[in-house]
Amino acid sequence: GAVVSQHPSRVICKSGTSVKIECRSLDFQATTMFWYRQFPKQSLMLMATSNEGSKATYEQGVEKDKFLINHASLTLSTLTVTSAHPEDSSFYICSAWDTRGYEQYFGPGTRLTVT
Amino acid sequence: AQTVTQSQPEMSVQEAETVTLSCTYDTSESNYYLFWYKQPPSRQMILVIRQEAYKQQNATENRFSVNFQKAAKSFSLKISDSQLGDTAMYFCAFMKPGGTNSKLTFGKGITLSVRP
Repeated sequence: GAVVSQHPSRVICKSGTSVKIECRSLDFQATTMFWYRQFPKQSLMLMATSNEGSKATYEQGVEKDKFLINHASLTLSTLTVTSAHPEDSSFYICSAWDTRGYEQYFGPGTRLTVT
Repeated sequence: AQTVTQSQPEMSVQEAETVTLSCTYDTSESNYYLFWYKQPPSRQMILVIRQEAYKQQNATENRFSVNFQKAAKSFSLKISDSQLGDTAMYFCAFMKPGGTNSKLTFGKGITLSVRP
């Protein structure tokens, strides 16, 4: 199956700083990628839909100015958590649509800890 | 809006036994996809099985099979010959086809433990 990577896998940052998470489709082009947030033992919560070359579509309740998404190419989407606070600590997962097989592939996730 | 319900938070099964995970959903759509995803301790999401609503035949992938009851809006996953590597969180998900912007709606998940 197709491969989606995320970088970094873990990041620790200080409160008030910004952190960027990359999501790449390695062997296919993805016009659409999705960003999820997951707390321990809970389900995935969709944060936003990222479309190449256009503005991301955010789910209700997600602060677009806090979670900046850029989908600059067909293989890369980035999520920047701005002015991070401890409550932003979570596991962030991206997924990408592979239209060849009509399936979403998930990245391995990024664990963000804000101290 | 679609909803997906997984009412059992946890289940446990003996190795080599069979276990069934339940899932119900609510939708007014006639054409849609249903999925079961596995999330092991590594937290990598893995597609287990997919069912297209217009197909009457239940999907099967090796030891994994589903019981898809469209009228009842039920989509259960049966794991046969359970293995220790099946220990994971399992999520049922719904998707209405709509091109590449199609979103997955996940249930709350169930934690499955396989006992040696």
